[in-house]
Amino acid sequence: QKEVEQNSGPLSVPEGAIASLNCTYSDRGSQSFFWYRQYSGKSPELIMFIYSNGDKEDGRFTAQLNKASQYVSLLIRDSQPSDSATYLCAVNWGGGFKTIFGAGTRLFVKA
Amino acid sequence: EAGVTQFPSHSVIEKGQTVTLRCDPISGHDNLYWYRRVMGKEIKFLLHFVKESKQDESGMPNNRFLAERTGGTYSTLKVQPAELEDSGVYFCASSLGQGHSTDTQYFGPGTRLTVL
Repeated sequence: QKEVEQNSGPLSVPEGAIASLNCTYSDRGSQSFFWYRQYSGKSPELIMFIYSNGDKEDGRFTAQLNKASQYVSLLIRDSQPSDSATYLCAVNWGGGFKTIFGAGTRLFVKA
Repeated sequence: EAGVTQFPSHSVIEKGQTVTLRCDPISGHDNLYWYRRVMGKEIKFLLHFVKESKQDESGMPNNRFLAERTGGTYSTLKVQPAELEDSGVYFCASSLGQGHSTDTQYFGPGTRLTVL
């Protein structure tokens, strides 16, 4: 089992729809979870982090964490073509500073 | 405020040569990280500095890789001798170091290394 798993996609949604991105992780000791967005040829950019079970909202983005199921997700409401990018799930391994990344999910938002 | 900068942006070298990558973190950031993304794979953690000390170097692939952060400011990552499988994009990131693992990491633009 991979340490951090994501569906590689591509995930295609129409403009204005909700995009749902999922991630599972294998280490029960992990405490902090991150979603990064990476445009082609650019560096990763942090969207959100979450460390408590439940939902965390920031504008059009909502991160959801379920530690019992070892699952973290990102919802993007009112998706825009500019949201088209690769979304990387990352986990701080064992509660420390070592960050493990998933391979990313490519999202396409069709105008 | 300037972000994380990396130099060079691209490097093409032959197998067996030496390459040194440089990272300048955001001023005042104690934490500095190196990552690598090989084509088609996920971003892999290489190591983590707190100031000039190596906090975690568990991701370094082998002893051909040497990272330093003299004085706790900029960092270098040297690959000697380079092998074909070292090709990829090397990212540096820095964070303020607030004492917990939700500390936001800011990524540099990366150095694309090609070993021929």
